[in-house]
Amino acid sequence: DSGVTQTPKHLITATGQRVTLRCSPRSGDLSVYWYQQSLDQGLQFLIQYYNGEERAKGNILERFSAQQFPDLHSELNLSSLELGDSALYFCASSPGQVFNEKLFFGSGTQLSVL
Amino acid sequence: EDKVVQSPLSLVVHEGDTVTLNCSYEVTNFRSLLWYKQEKKAPTFLFMLTSSGIEKKSGRLSSILDKKELFSILNITATQTGDSAVYLCAVVPNTGNQFYFGTGTSLTVIP
Repeated sequence: DSGVTQTPKHLITATGQRVTLRCSPRSGDLSVYWYQQSLDQGLQFLIQYYNGEERAKGNILERFSAQQFPDLHSELNLSSLELGDSALYFCASSPGQVFNEKLFFGSGTQLSVL
Repeated sequence: EDKVVQSPLSLVVHEGDTVTLNCSYEVTNFRSLLWYKQEKKAPTFLFMLTSSGIEKKSGRLSSILDKKELFSILNITATQTGDSAVYLCAVVPNTGNQFYFGTGTSLTVIP
């Protein structure tokens, strides 16, 4: 158990809908990362937050947004969902105030868009 | 464009065999290379390599980095069925907080 908690584990929804994925980092970790993993693309970095502020942005679509709250949990919002958004979404956290390569991954949320 | 390429995409071996997984990369201002093991869901950290030629070992797993030729290998000796997983390679540049992941190598170890 990495200590990173993601909910829900599975999510099935229809095209055009909006969903929210939730992540609680390990105790004491200030950085939260979101990744998307699809069969053909591997792990794609979406966005990073550090202590409530956006720190780095990757290949995140405009239909997607995220935030990190004062208690350090994070939410990833996906809207106007398309079939191609079906993927495994991971949250990861890392310790310390500076960039740390050692990521601790949650078990992921499997999103299926029908 | 920064990229990480892993090979082979997939391999199937018998218990007791030795396997070598490859990771080559093109990343501007290299900082570190990491190996992760992904079983079912969450990737778990295996190794971090920053210097050429220094082998990292953990039990039957070992890894080495060649910064001149821009690649790393992950060796697993005396494979066991519990080694079956997807092995991910990721490279971190100096310029940002991003990890560039390869698509992974799927390893299946059959009894």
